[in-house]
Amino acid sequence: EPEVTQTPSHQVTQMGQEVILRCVPISNHLYFYWYRQILGQKVEFLVSFYNNEISEKSEIFDDQFSVERPDGSNFTLKIRSTKLEDSAMYFCASGVTAGETGELFFGEGSRLTVL
Amino acid sequence: AQTVTQSQPEMSVQEAETVTLSCTYDTSENNYYLFWYKQPPSRQMILVIRQEAYKQQNATENRFSVNFQKAAKSFSLKISDSQLGDTAMYFCAFIHSGTYKYIFGTGTRLKVLA
Repeated sequence: EPEVTQTPSHQVTQMGQEVILRCVPISNHLYFYWYRQILGQKVEFLVSFYNNEISEKSEIFDDQFSVERPDGSNFTLKIRSTKLEDSAMYFCASGVTAGETGELFFGEGSRLTVL
Repeated sequence: AQTVTQSQPEMSVQEAETVTLSCTYDTSENNYYLFWYKQPPSRQMILVIRQEAYKQQNATENRFSVNFQKAAKSFSLKISDSQLGDTAMYFCAFIHSGTYKYIFGTGTRLKVLA
């Protein structure tokens, strides 16, 4: 069964460093998302991506964050200069259709620890 | 503010028993969709059940059913005949029609006991 895969599963980085989290969505999916969950808190929406552009983003997704789909298969989240509060589990998700009309398929998550 | 509240951080249930996980949400919109997602330990989140807000009939998927009370903004999940494989974190979520942004709750960790 096709799955969304994420790498790395865990990354430890120093504050101020750049981090790239990678995701391979399911191949025929058109809608891509990043969510994050700080330990003990809600799963929070970061950004959605469709047709090679951001379709919606949250207040969390500031200039330090960027997404791209460089080669038609990978979907990456870049954090330019990490802060302590960026420590969280980051989930990638993809869907065949937008939002309400279909389910999201999630990856297992990438745990980011910022020291 | 659009929020989802899951007031039970942890629950346990005996195998074969029934358990209900609660979820309330807040939105001023009328068109939205509600979901329960399940995340087994060290695994991906997967969709359990989905409810369109415009439908009055409660959704059912095998042993999983919901009690959707639109006026009360409540969306609880009932698991009947609980199995050990139901042990997981359960997330309640909703999305407004025409947007891409799911709003999730903090989750309820369910443990099914043998």
